[in-house]
Amino acid sequence: DPKIIQKPKYLVAVTGSEKILICEQYLGHNAMYWYRQSAKKPLEFMFSYSYQKLMDNQTASSRFQPQSSKKNHLDLQITALKPDDSATYFCASSQERGIQDTQYFGPGTRLLVL
Amino acid sequence: GDSVTQKEGLVTLTEGLPVMLNCTYQTIYSNAFLFWYVHYLNESPRLLLKSSTDNKRTEHQGFHATLHKSSSSFHLQKSSAQLSDSALYYCALSDLWVGDNSKLIWGLGTSLVVNP
Repeated sequence: DPKIIQKPKYLVAVTGSEKILICEQYLGHNAMYWYRQSAKKPLEFMFSYSYQKLMDNQTASSRFQPQSSKKNHLDLQITALKPDDSATYFCASSQERGIQDTQYFGPGTRLLVL
Repeated sequence: GDSVTQKEGLVTLTEGLPVMLNCTYQTIYSNAFLFWYVHYLNESPRLLLKSSTDNKRTEHQGFHATLHKSSSSFHLQKSSAQLSDSALYYCALSDLWVGDNSKLIWGLGTSLVVNP
C-alpha cells in the first residue's frame, strides 16, 4: 500500500485557473514538505511544515499556498496558474524535522498548464 | 550561509567504469548530516545513504560515501557503473536551523548517464 498518496497523478489546467494538489501520508510523520521539479531542472524546495505549522517557505510567489487540514495532510493550492508552473510536484514527509530525519517522497503530481 | 555544491551537472560514463559524484558543503555546525538521494526517471526521489560520522564509509546498494569533515566533502562512489544507475543524484546537508528543527539544503543535483 502506498504510504504517501498524491492526487491527482496528472493534471492539465488552463492559464489563470486554480488547482489544488492533494497529499496524504500514512507514515505517522510529523513533518511534511512540497517540492517542485520543472523539466530538465533540479528538485526545488518549496515549503516545509511541522505539526501543521509552516516552518519554511522558499516560494517567492503567493500564488502557492499550502494547506494543512489534518496532521497527515498537506495540500498545495495554486492560483492564477501560468505555463511556467508546469512541473512535477512532489510531496514528502519525515518523522520529525530532526537533523537525521530522512525525507520520504510521494509519487508526484504532474501538472501541465496550457 | 550553509550550502551544498555539486560541481558536475552531468556525468556520462561507460558501463563498468567507476563512478564518482562530487559533493562539497559549507556549514558552521559540526554535527551536520549529509545525504545522497537518488531520483530515477518517472519515480520519486529516495534516500540512497546518509552519514554524520567523520571518516566512516557508508554503503548502500553498491554505492558508498565517506564524510570528510576536514575537506567538507561527501563524494558518492561506486566501483562499477551499471546501466540502471542512470539517474539524478542529489547531495543534501541537514543541520540545526531553528531550535531543534533542522533544514535540509539541497545541491543542484548531478545527472548520471551510463552508456553501454
